[in-house]
Amino acid sequence: EAGVAQSPRYKIIEKRQSVAFWCNPISGHATLYWYQQILGQGPKLLIQFQNNGVVDDSQLPKDRFSAERLKGVDSTLKIQPAKLEDSAVYLCASSRAGYSGNTIYFGEGSWLTVV
Amino acid sequence: SQELEQSPQSLIVQEGKNLTINCTSSKTLYGLYWYKQKYGEGLIFLMMLQKGGEEKSHEKITAKLDEKKQQSSLHITASQPSHAGIYLCGADDSNYQLIWGAGTKLIIKP
Repeated sequence: EAGVAQSPRYKIIEKRQSVAFWCNPISGHATLYWYQQILGQGPKLLIQFQNNGVVDDSQLPKDRFSAERLKGVDSTLKIQPAKLEDSAVYLCASSRAGYSGNTIYFGEGSWLTVV
Repeated sequence: SQELEQSPQSLIVQEGKNLTINCTSSKTLYGLYWYKQKYGEGLIFLMMLQKGGEEKSHEKITAKLDEKKQQSSLHITASQPSHAGIYLCGADDSNYQLIWGAGTKLIIKP
């Protein structure tokens, strides 16, 4: 079974530029998550999708971050314009359903450096 | 809000020695997950615990959830270089939101 795929793995951009990350979850997984992880901290949930609907985006900085999951499969996370503090690993994850007993599988992450 | 505290923050262990990492919450946990992360990579699922007193093992790694479901420990027996990395605990809180500890960095000395 293929795992969660993410691209690009690494990206360096200047502040105020834009960047987009792509995620393809495990086949059959209804729930997709985007996390932001800053070095030395645990992951922070940015947005959770159930199929193509948003379940939780309370911690997504909506003035600069946007995410979509068209057709309930692949997802894209965009940052525009980027700030220095956005430098982090962006982790995509998926599970068969929401939390509470469903194992969440993570991709390898997309490392963003904003200079 | 509920938080997960991991201890120690970092650990240096001689290869072959045993070690324990702890994950503690002030409130009851409704599902406890252990993940491992290597630098530059994503999180790898290790184990999930749901019942008080539950214990699971995989190869040389054993995880336990206490009876009160407020503390979990991860024990590694006869550590190897492949065990090095960051160990993260995550848990479902009372609102079924997933919360995370800050991680424990494990270094294995050859």
